Amino acid sequence: AQTVTQSQPEMSVQEAETVTLSCTYDTSENNYYLFWYKQPPSRQMILVIRQEAYKQQNATENRFSVNFQKAAKSFSLKISDSQLGDTAMYFCAFMIETGANSKLTFGKGITLSVRP
Amino acid sequence: KAGVTQTPRYLIKTRGQQVTLSCSPISGHRSVSWYQQTPGQGLQFLFEYFSETQRNKGNFPGRFSGRQFSNSRSEMNVSTLELGDSALYLCASSRAPGTEAFFGQGTRLTVV
Repeated sequence: AQTVTQSQPEMSVQEAETVTLSCTYDTSENNYYLFWYKQPPSRQMILVIRQEAYKQQNATENRFSVNFQKAAKSFSLKISDSQLGDTAMYFCAFMIETGANSKLTFGKGITLSVRP
Repeated sequence: KAGVTQTPRYLIKTRGQQVTLSCSPISGHRSVSWYQQTPGQGLQFLFEYFSETQRNKGNFPGRFSGRQFSNSRSEMNVSTLELGDSALYLCASSRAPGTEAFFGQGTRLTVV
C-alpha cells in the first residue's frame, strides 16, 4: 500500500519570501506520479505541479518548483516570492502510473499562511 | 472550457435519509473519481469510474455507491446516512485513468 506523509501541519511565511513544504511517501512501485494540490478557503482543489517518477529533472511551474529525491522518497514543494493568494492548504498526492489502480493517495495536508 | 461541476454545493440531510450527489466532468474527460474529505480522516478515495464501469473502490461500506452515465456524468449515492458521513465530497475528472485529475468545488454534506 502507498502512504504519503506530510509531517508539518502548519507553516507561515512572510510575503515575498520563499517557503518549502515537505512530503515523503512510501511505495514499492517504480513508476508513479507525484502531485501538489492547493486548496484555498473556497475548497476548490487546484493542481499546482506534477512530477513523473521516471524524470530526473525537477518540475517547475512559475514560482513553484519541486525537489524530487526518488531514492529518499521525498517530494518537497518550494514556493518562491510568496503571495497572499498562496494562503491555502497544500496536499501532496501520489498515483501509480499503471491504469489498473489510478486513485490518488493524499497526505494529511499542510496549512500555509502568507503574512503581509 | 467549463470545469468540473458538482451539484448541489451544499446539502443538509437527516440521519437515516439517503442522498445523491452529481458530478459533470470536463468535456472530453471519461474518467471520474470521488473523494471524501473530513477534518479527521483527510482525503479518502471512494471510487473511480471509466466508460460507465467502476474500476476501483475505496474502503467504504456498501451504503456508498455510484454510477457513471454514457455522457460521463457521474452520481454517487449514500443510503442510511450517519452523522459521520458529514463531509466535503469531491469529484475529479480525468481524460483517462492514470492521467491528470481536475477537481470540482465539492458538495458539502451535513448530516443532522
